[in-house]
Amino acid sequence: NAGVTQTPKFQVLKTGQSMTLQCAQDMNHNSMYWYRQDPGMGLRLIYYSASEGTTDKGEVPNGYNVSRLNKREFSLRLESAAPSQTSVYFCASSELVNQPQHFGDGTRLSIL
Amino acid sequence: EDKVVQSPLSLVVHEGDTVTLNCSYEVTNFRSLLWYKQEKKAPTFLFMLTSSGIEKKSGRLSSILDKKELFSILNITATQTGDSAVYLCAVVPHQGGSEKLVFGKGTKLTVNP
Repeated sequence: NAGVTQTPKFQVLKTGQSMTLQCAQDMNHNSMYWYRQDPGMGLRLIYYSASEGTTDKGEVPNGYNVSRLNKREFSLRLESAAPSQTSVYFCASSELVNQPQHFGDGTRLSIL
Repeated sequence: EDKVVQSPLSLVVHEGDTVTLNCSYEVTNFRSLLWYKQEKKAPTFLFMLTSSGIEKKSGRLSSILDKKELFSILNITATQTGDSAVYLCAVVPHQGGSEKLVFGKGTKLTVNP
């Protein structure tokens, strides 16, 4: 049982390039989330999708867009990457928004 | 603004010690508090607490919530090297269907043999 799968695991980009991070869950969860984790900052919510067909901003949405492609998949797009977006990105899912979240293994993204 | 503060930020102990990790919060309309363990990769869920004074227990780990004083503690007894990790506390404010977790910065626990 895979749980939450994120691709890619690592990526290096140049400033200004675009990139889409993929996330898929096989637990039939309704809610999905994207976080970034930076040293000393903890996990910060970028965007989330409470249910299929809805998305909403989190704490740090600027510079990102998301798509809830279907119930399983939730992608995060960086349109024009900036060095400040160097981080580890985690996708998570939960049955409902107020339930414990299950996390993927993360994508380590470096922007030069 | 909703806030979660964990202490200490880091802790080094020897195997067999007992540790207590702290999490205090300020949120409007508290709904629940969650603890996660993060080793090298994904955070994994430990406990969800919604009621004051009721201890949740799993093996050597236990946690309790005090909604009056706005804090929770995570206890680990007889620590092992495998307990070395970052422990994250998160609070779910009640926001009428749009509840979003607010995470603390974590406590890094190192257990030495």
